[in-house]
Amino acid sequence: DIQMTQSPSSLSASVGDRVTITCQASEDINNYLNWYQQKPGKAPELLIYDASNLETGVPPRFSGSGSGTDFIFAISNLQPEDSATYYCQQFDNLPLTFGGGTKVEI
Amino acid sequence: QVQLAQSGAEVKKPGASVKVSCKASGYRFTTYGFSWVRQAPGQGLEWMGWISAKNGNTKYVEKLQGRVTMTTDTSTTTVYMELRSLRSDDTAVYYCARHSKTGISATNYYFYGMNVWGQGTTVTVSS
Repeated sequence: DIQMTQSPSSLSASVGDRVTITCQASEDINNYLNWYQQKPGKAPELLIYDASNLETGVPPRFSGSGSGTDFIFAISNLQPEDSATYYCQQFDNLPLTFGGGTKVEI
Repeated sequence: QVQLAQSGAEVKKPGASVKVSCKASGYRFTTYGFSWVRQAPGQGLEWMGWISAKNGNTKYVEKLQGRVTMTTDTSTTTVYMELRSLRSDDTAVYYCARHSKTGISATNYYFYGMNVWGQGTTVTVSS
């Protein structure tokens, strides 16, 4: 199985800050990577697909980059409503696997 | 609008079975595949498997092989996930999710982003 290592596991930042989360795959996954946001008690929501594409309706302050084994997710101009846990997920190979999550506190 | 509506919370004893439903609406049901993802209390996301709404083909995670069955009913546009021989570590919130598309090559399946999710169903396994 492909292991997805996310870091940091948590971070605290202020409104207006830019934060970044990294996700490293245990093998080359091309650009077959998605990023999700999950708020407490809610289902995850797809933010970024295929490593760098913004899902419809998602604010452009969210972005993703990377290919191969190393990926970055960024939130610029952090807003209070961005407080959530973020997960990367690969789909290059079955089983689909998720990173451990990054809890972002504002 | 596109929606996935899941069945309600369940409490089961160890060794029992549970069947969770996920009713899709707002689009052509057979166009997309579905995954089931679970989340144990305070833990991360775990993929359980996938089913094609077009032809019922399935792919299950190896650790659940033999205990999980995913099915669809195109007449009611509903996807089901049954988990048998329940254990305490099956206690989790179970989500159905629709993939934006599916790619199939000679050697691999590509299940693209999960862009529509159900609200989740809490399954508690306790004696």
